[in-house]
Amino acid sequence: GQQLNQSPQSMFIQEGEDVSMNCTSSSIFNTWLWYKQDPGEGPVLLIALYKAGELTSNGRLTAQFGITRKDSFLNISASIPSDVGIYFCAGSPYNFNKFYFGSGTKLNVKP
Amino acid sequence: GAVVSQHPSRVICKSGTSVKIECRSLDFQATTMFWYRQFPKQSLMLMATSNEGSKATYEQGVEKDKFLINHASLTLSTLTVTSAHPEDSSFYICSTFPATWGNTEAFFGQGTRLTVV
Repeated sequence: GQQLNQSPQSMFIQEGEDVSMNCTSSSIFNTWLWYKQDPGEGPVLLIALYKAGELTSNGRLTAQFGITRKDSFLNISASIPSDVGIYFCAGSPYNFNKFYFGSGTKLNVKP
Repeated sequence: GAVVSQHPSRVICKSGTSVKIECRSLDFQATTMFWYRQFPKQSLMLMATSNEGSKATYEQGVEKDKFLINHASLTLSTLTVTSAHPEDSSFYICSTFPATWGNTEAFFGQGTRLTVV
């Protein structure tokens, strides 16, 4: 399958700090998605990106689709305790929604 | 967003038995569904692509005879783990998207926690 490298693997931050995580792929993707997963639950979509260079925000979250189409980043500003969870990037090299997932970034926020 | 329902949410079975997991699209038709497996503290790994009315396509390394997939209707795909063993214990998640939406995001079911004892 496709190789997706996500970093960092985990983060420990203080409430109010900004966070950044990124994903790179070995091949070109047509779609990048960012998900958050809570324990025992399925992933919940945060942001979807469909176009190279696209910068999209969802509240305190901002994500960008890299110009090379091989990378994407997610920023969380002014973190709060409920941001705790595992964040996954997912990319699709095709046009029929078959996604490959990054290894995840575990975010811990200290109140 | 679109709603995808997965059942059961948890199942415990004895080694050697088979378990069926259902994935339904509740308010749209889904010609394609995807099945993922997630081991503890790991990422989601795509297992197979389920196509309505035709055979599923399996990712490399996934045994098609062990993980039987049936996509008999536009709203239902099932994954059957046959002759389950403890190493099959995992979190199984399906995803799909409305057939009319084209290239867009994937919506996920709630997942099924399978424990084989």
